[in-house]
This record gives sequence, structure tokens and C-alpha cells, in this order.
Amino acid sequence: DAGVIQSPRHEVTEMGQEVTLRCKPISGHNSLFWYRQTMMRGLELLIYFNNNVPIDDSGMPEDRFSAKMPNASFSTLKIQPSEPRDSAVYFCASRGTDRAGGYTFGSGTRLTVV
Amino acid sequence: GESVGLHLPTLSVQEGDNSIINCAYSNSASDYFIWYKQESGKGPQFIIDIRSNMDKRQGQRVTVLLNKTVKHLSLQIAATQPGDSAVYFCAERKTSYDKVIFGPGTSLSVIP
Repeated sequence: DAGVIQSPRHEVTEMGQEVTLRCKPISGHNSLFWYRQTMMRGLELLIYFNNNVPIDDSGMPEDRFSAKMPNASFSTLKIQPSEPRDSAVYFCASRGTDRAGGYTFGSGTRLTVV
Repeated sequence: GESVGLHLPTLSVQEGDNSIINCAYSNSASDYFIWYKQESGKGPQFIIDIRSNMDKRQGQRVTVLLNKTVKHLSLQIAATQPGDSAVYFCAERKTSYDKVIFGPGTSLSVIP
């Protein structure tokens, strides 16, 4: 099991550019979550999907953020246009039905917007 | 509003001693409480969870205690090792929802 796979690991982009973060959940997991981690705000849930359907996107900070899950094995989080305050580590996590409480997290994408 | 918070932002313990990390929560409707460990440069790693109808659960070297009366959660690590040095997050899962809300985290430092 390769775990949750995120790409890229690091991304440096200029303000105003579009950024796309990618996630491959664990095969068979039916829930997928995008979190953002900063020193100031900790781990914030942005959006989550259940069976590829967005269930709760109340954590998405602005319309500049969008997420898709076109199939059970792939999700993207897009920021357009990016701003310096979007700099953070973005984590993707997935959960199967066998573990009621916990998720499996990816290694994250460290985004720096300059 | 609803929140999960930690009493101690940092904790230093001697190798071999037991560690206790505490957490307060405010949402009585949560059905699961969870502890995660995050090492530098990595994503949070699930340690152990406890259902709201339990008050104690044990894993390998870890024990989670839940006191619903005072809305308090703790993680006990026995015989703390250098590899236990990390940030520990308590988190809660809200009843009938799938999302997990994280607390601010406690940094555990193990002194060799």
C-alpha cells in the first residue's frame, strides 16, 4: 500500500499564478479530505468528498479555491489566482469504512507564493 | 463556538518517563475523539481513537482517556522514547458527519 500520494511535494509560484495540487487516495477509501496547515491557524479542513461527491466545502476560504474529484483515485485542489497568504502546507487525507475515527494523511505539498 | 483545544503547547519529558498530553473539547455531540502524531516534514499519523461511549482505550504504549463530565481527553505514552518527539494533535469527529476537526497541537520533546 503506497499510502496517500500528493504531488508536488514543494511548489513555489508567483502571486497571481494558478496552482494545482494533486492527491491520489488509498485504493478503496471512499472519503477524501483537503486540509491546510499554517503556524497561525493550525490544521484547517478545506473540503471533503464522500464517494467522489463534495459534502462540505465550508472551509474553502475564497472563490479562488476550488476542488474536484473526478474519480475515486484522484482529486485536485486549485488556487486561481494565488496570493502570498495562501502559502501553507496542504494535506490530503483519505479514509475507508474500516476505521471509524482516523484518516491516513499524505506527506503534504508545501506551497510558497511569492 | 465549537473547538478542540490543548492545555499545554509544549511538553518536555525525560526518556523512559511517561508522558501525558491533555486536551479539552467543547462539542458534546462528537462521536469519536482521535489522537494524531506529526513528525517534522510529515503528515499527521493516526495513533489511536476512542468512541464517545468509552472512557479508556489502550494501544501499544499509548492509552487514551476520555472524561465526558469535564470534556477532557488525554493521551498517555508509556516509557517515552526519542522517536516519540513530535507534535500531537487531538481531534474530534462530529456525530453524523465525516469531517474531523483538529486542535492546535502540543509539541512533545523527549530528553535523552
